Amino acid sequence: LAKTTQPISMDSYEGQEVNITCSHNNIATNDYITWYQQFPSQGPRFIIQGYKTKVTNEVASLFIPADRKSSTLSLPRVSLSDTAVYYCLVGDMSSGTYKYIFGTGTRLKVLA
Amino acid sequence: ETGVTQTPRHLVMGMTNKKSLKCEQHLGHNAMYWYKQSAKKPLELMFVYNFKEQTENNSVPSRFSPECPNSSHLFLHLHTLQPEDSALYLCASSQGTRNEQFFGPGTRLTVL
Repeated sequence: LAKTTQPISMDSYEGQEVNITCSHNNIATNDYITWYQQFPSQGPRFIIQGYKTKVTNEVASLFIPADRKSSTLSLPRVSLSDTAVYYCLVGDMSSGTYKYIFGTGTRLKVLA
Repeated sequence: ETGVTQTPRHLVMGMTNKKSLKCEQHLGHNAMYWYKQSAKKPLELMFVYNFKEQTENNSVPSRFSPECPNSSHLFLHLHTLQPEDSALYLCASSQGTRNEQFFGPGTRLTVL
């Protein structure tokens, strides 16, 4: 089963922009790319979802290239409370059937 | 958030015990999911139910048995578990199977 891969961890300072990339080479043709945030001992929480090009909401932007084999979550001006694990979620067709695949997760640590 | 609730929040069981995890969603969604999250691992999708019908089973051992009596409730029946089954079990729901998922707080399961 193809993996959906992300950097294991990232450090940033307050006020900086953070970009986290997810690689999903076998994304299903008609599927969305979704990103979630997870704090310790809590379930993941939805951040943003997109299909192609660029999507922006009040907390983040999502950049998706034309081939859709990767996506980049952009968090503008992070704060200490953005310290969390970030996951991408895509539908994968590499096994011949549709399956949800969460990324390996990126542990973001925001420093003062 | 109380949209998706899970009980119990913590469970310790022996390998010969039988227990059940319960999930309830108050969001009017038609799809529900069980995930397993082991320490320092990404989320693993176990089961998907859409309109009470199981649509995805990711090769989960038969010692895990899901039940979905209606679109608002989801159970995970556990029997003869192994210590490696110790993990955080998360329930989620969504409107349609490709839209934003709302997660519960999870059940922290320890198998002795």
